Amino acid sequence: GNSVTQMEGPVTLSEEAFLTINCTYTATGYPSLFWYVQYPGEGLQLLLKATKADDKGSNKGFEATYRKETTSFHLEKGSVQVSDSAVYFCALHSGGGADGLTFGKGTHLIIQP
Amino acid sequence: NAGVTQTPKFRVLKTGQSMTLLCAQDMNHEYMYWYRQDPGMGLRLIHYSVGEGTTAKGEVPDGYNVSRLKKQNFLLGLESAAPSQTSVYFCASIGQGGKGPQHFGDGTRLSIL
Repeated sequence: GNSVTQMEGPVTLSEEAFLTINCTYTATGYPSLFWYVQYPGEGLQLLLKATKADDKGSNKGFEATYRKETTSFHLEKGSVQVSDSAVYFCALHSGGGADGLTFGKGTHLIIQP
Repeated sequence: NAGVTQTPKFRVLKTGQSMTLLCAQDMNHEYMYWYRQDPGMGLRLIHYSVGEGTTAKGEVPDGYNVSRLKKQNFLLGLESAAPSQTSVYFCASIGQGGKGPQHFGDGTRLSIL
């Protein structure tokens, strides 16, 4: 079956530091890959996505590249801000789309001023 | 532009009580989902629906029932609540024939005493 593995948290960084959150996956076929962000007390918001190999998703300074050879979709940001503090979920979607997303366990990111 | 709306936002139940969580979406999406979010577990799919009048089991369906009598609404029922069902419940919907991103509600925090 499908699975997503992402680095354990919490991850604590200083403002303006470089961020990497690792994500690897196992899936049949050619899944679409997503990063979602969850701020305290809120639902999940789509941060970025990639639908095929070598695609790069980007949004709000975050980037992730779909690497089929390493089955990875690592999230990066060059200079984090306190407002980036949240829980980040890597997810995949395969097949015809009906059976929902497979999520990683989430990585809690804490940015200190 | 409401998107996905969940009611209630918070609820405390006693073991053995029943209740229904309501999810409503105004985007004319065909697919709808119920997830539960537990610490260290990420989001797990409970049930989903690919259209009005249809439902299917997800990863963790036991103890829950669902109904999709109208396209815009997806109800999640707990017939006899148990402490193991204490969780945060998220509803989501997806358009574009299942290929678009999932849109999430803000969640329902449910505590079973």
